[in-house]
Amino acid sequence: ETGVTQSPTHLIKTRGQQVTLRCSSQSGHNTVSWYQQALGQGPQFIFQYYREEENGRGNFPPRFSGLQFPNYSSELNVNALELDDSALYLCASSLSVLASGRSDTQYFGPGTRLTVL
Amino acid sequence: DQQVKQNSPSLSVQEGRISILNCDYTNSMFDYFLWYKKYPAEGPTFLISISSIKDKNEDGRFTVFLNKSAKHLSLHIVPSQPGDSAVYFCAATDSGGGNQFYFGTGTSLTVIP
Repeated sequence: ETGVTQSPTHLIKTRGQQVTLRCSSQSGHNTVSWYQQALGQGPQFIFQYYREEENGRGNFPPRFSGLQFPNYSSELNVNALELDDSALYLCASSLSVLASGRSDTQYFGPGTRLTVL
Repeated sequence: DQQVKQNSPSLSVQEGRISILNCDYTNSMFDYFLWYKKYPAEGPTFLISISSIKDKNEDGRFTVFLNKSAKHLSLHIVPSQPGDSAVYFCAATDSGGGNQFYFGTGTSLTVIP
């Protein structure tokens, strides 16, 4: 039990729609990262937030955006959904103790399974 | 461009024997490596990590070995238990190059009672 929760657990959307996924970080953690895990693949880094600012981004288009709130909960927003966006979306929280914002061990939530039809 | 590779999709081991899971990486800037275990319907769970200044880190039944010259790391589980059956992911990051963790595609371990 990592203390990281995500909602909803499952979601079905149609192509072109927008979706918001939510994550509640482990208590005291100031950094959250979001990952996309397609079937049969490892998690792919989307972006990371540290103290409410984006602090690193993977190779994902701008229609993937995020927010981190003062209570360290966060959201992943995806606009103009495409069929290939169907995946398990994972958030991971960590405590960054360095000014650079580099995270140490990341603790994952159970994920949100998104299906785009 | 897969910078972290796990070339064995699956592995079966008898209970009590050693499980060895392998991982290769291509980026020589990676300096921190982790192993995660994932059960179905759960997120990955942190298992063990190693910094590039070490070549071995041990935690109970789990030992991670790092061979920097070969860009290879391995996870040893001794003795293997049925509860160890899960998908294992290795991950790597470059401390000075951003905050991105790179994951392999995973190895599904089955420990046979």
